[in-house]
Amino acid sequence: GIQVEQSPPDLILQEGANSTLRCNFSDSVNNLQWFHQNPWGQLINLFYIPSGTKQNGRLSATTVATERYSLLYISSSQTTDSGVYFCAVPYSGNTPLVFGKGTRLSVIA
Amino acid sequence: EAQVTQNPRYLITVTGKKLTVTCSQNMNHEYMSWYRQDPGLGLRQIYYSMNVEVTDKGDVPEGYKVSRKEKRNFPLILESPSPNQTSLYFCASRTRAGGPYEQYFGPGTRLTVT
Repeated sequence: GIQVEQSPPDLILQEGANSTLRCNFSDSVNNLQWFHQNPWGQLINLFYIPSGTKQNGRLSATTVATERYSLLYISSSQTTDSGVYFCAVPYSGNTPLVFGKGTRLSVIA
Repeated sequence: EAQVTQNPRYLITVTGKKLTVTCSQNMNHEYMSWYRQDPGLGLRQIYYSMNVEVTDKGDVPEGYKVSRKEKRNFPLILESPSPNQTSLYFCASRTRAGGPYEQYFGPGTRLTVT
């Protein structure tokens, strides 16, 4: 099945810093999502981005499907950005999502 | 508001006592699924359903049952829970045909089996 790798596994930032999280996947996909899991365990949809670039406030994401990677940018980080960031892709077609192991982000005031 | 709801949000139970975790979505999605999340193992699929009366096993189906009698509901049933089913459970849904295939997750159910 498809493999999803995220880097870095852990990241500690000072409040106000910028960061880039990476997601590599082993096969072509028609769907890619980024999620934020907050300290209470909830999975928050950040982006649905099978290709191209999207922006939402301080967050933006880019997926280069032909090269099988996606990047999540966080600018001017805040303590509320802390948590685990996951990318996920389907096995194939309509099958359930496969999640990467996540990047654990800690933003320090 | 478009959403996936789960109940209960927290549950502590004892080994062998049957329980059901409900899941409901209001987006008319055909596709629904259940995941469990465990430390070090990430999120893994338990069961999924392509449409009413159509269900299939995911990666870790042992010890679980599901049913899909209505489009909006997809309950997860643990007939005889065991401590190794202590986990954080998520229900999810998305449209099936035509896209976009964005998947929406419920708020999660923390289950502890003693």
